Amino acid sequence: ELKVEQNPLFLSMQEGKNYTIYCNYSTTSDRLYWYRQDPGKSLESLFVLLSNGAVKQEGRLMASLDTKARLSTLHITAAVHDLSATYFCAAGTQGGSEKLVFGKGTKLTVNP
Amino acid sequence: DAGITQSPRHKVTETGTPVTLRCHQTENHRYMYWYRQDPGHGLRLIHYSYGVKDTDKGEVSDGYSVSRSKTEDFLLTLESATSSQTSVYFCAISESAVNTIYFGEGSWLTVV
Repeated sequence: ELKVEQNPLFLSMQEGKNYTIYCNYSTTSDRLYWYRQDPGKSLESLFVLLSNGAVKQEGRLMASLDTKARLSTLHITAAVHDLSATYFCAAGTQGGSEKLVFGKGTKLTVNP
Repeated sequence: DAGITQSPRHKVTETGTPVTLRCHQTENHRYMYWYRQDPGHGLRLIHYSYGVKDTDKGEVSDGYSVSRSKTEDFLLTLESATSSQTSVYFCAISESAVNTIYFGEGSWLTVV
C-alpha cells in the first residue's frame, strides 16, 4: 500500500530565506505531483515529475524527484509572502493505476 | 483554468438524507475523480471514473456511490448522509493516468 509522508507539516519562515519541503513515499511510484492550495480554494497544479532525476522550476519554487530514495523535494528560494499557502505532494501507484495518494500537506507561512 | 464546475458549492443537509454532488467538465477528459478533504487527512480518493460507465473505488468509498452516464458529468451520491461525511468534496479531471490532474472549486457539505 502506497503511503506518502510530508514534512514538515507546518513551516514558518521569514521573507528572503530558503527552505525545503520533503515528500517521502513508501513503495515504487511512477509519478509525483506538487500542488498549492490557498485557504478555501481549489488545488493548483505546480509540478508533475515523471522520471528519476526530474527537476522542474517555476519562479522561486523548484521540485525534484529521486525515485531510488523515494523522495521528492520542493525547494523555496528567497521566500516572499505570496508563497504562503498549503503545499501537497501526491504519488501515483505503479502499474498504470489511476489512484493518487496525497500527503497531508505542509502549511507554509512566510512572515515579512 | 480547467473547465470544471461543481454543484452545489455549499450544502447543509440532515443526517439520513441522500445527497448528490455534481461535477461537470468541458475539457472532454477521460478521467474524473471525487476526493474529500478533511483537516489532518489531506485529500483522499472516494471514487474515480476512467470512462463513461467505468468507475472504481478509491480509499474511502464506503457510503458513497458514483455514476457517469456522459463524458462530461460525474455524480457523487451519499446514500444516507452521516455527520462523518461533513467535508469538502473536490472533483478532479485528467486526460490520462499520468497527466496533470486538475481540481474543481470544491463543494462544502455539512451534515447536521
